[in-house]
Amino acid sequence: SQQGEEDPQALSIQEGENATMNCSYKTSINNLQWYRQNSGRGLVHLILIRSNEREKHSGRLRVTLDTSKKSSSLLITASRAADTASYFCALKGGSNYKLTFGKGTLLTVNP
Amino acid sequence: EAGVTQSPTHLIKTRGQQATLRCSPISGHTSVYWYQQALGLGLQFLLWYDEGEERNRGNFPPRFSGRQFPNYSSELNVNALELEDSALYLCASSPDRGYGYTFGSGTRLTVV
Repeated sequence: SQQGEEDPQALSIQEGENATMNCSYKTSINNLQWYRQNSGRGLVHLILIRSNEREKHSGRLRVTLDTSKKSSSLLITASRAADTASYFCALKGGSNYKLTFGKGTLLTVNP
Repeated sequence: EAGVTQSPTHLIKTRGQQATLRCSPISGHTSVYWYQQALGLGLQFLLWYDEGEERNRGNFPPRFSGRQFPNYSSELNVNALELEDSALYLCASSPDRGYGYTFGSGTRLTVV
């Protein structure tokens, strides 16, 4: 299966702290994407990292990709209560154009 | 620019009935993807439509079907509803195959 697996399943931190969540996968990928979902609503695309990239930044987000270990991490710096959401990694592999999502990490940022 | 719109927002059906869910992609996006998000199961890929054709299908029974219209909007039909079909159904579109999906807010289907 191409499904990514997020770790941890749940994470609770205080406002201002950094949050790190990880995604591991088993097959080769073309790109890996991170999405956020607030409270059972639609997902919002956060960042895309291609298989030939090692690190990308977007505002307070930093994503790394290690294709040799088949893993990625999402770092949210200086977290805010509004960052409370579920975060999903999604994989795109080869000629298969669909994205395959993991089960997500539930992040709770306490004020 | 209008985002991906889904209708209805909520839908309550009785077991055995049929449900029809609709999705309008972002203007210019030709690919539409459908996902099911049941409680505790993450997002499960259902269907991918591109240029009016079904391009890929997830591991769901044939009673899950759909189509894409010439204006690229899409419809998901679920026949012979079962209780376990209760879930949030999400539609997404993208301007390029496999890159940066934009999701709608979903249709919450409840089967009683």
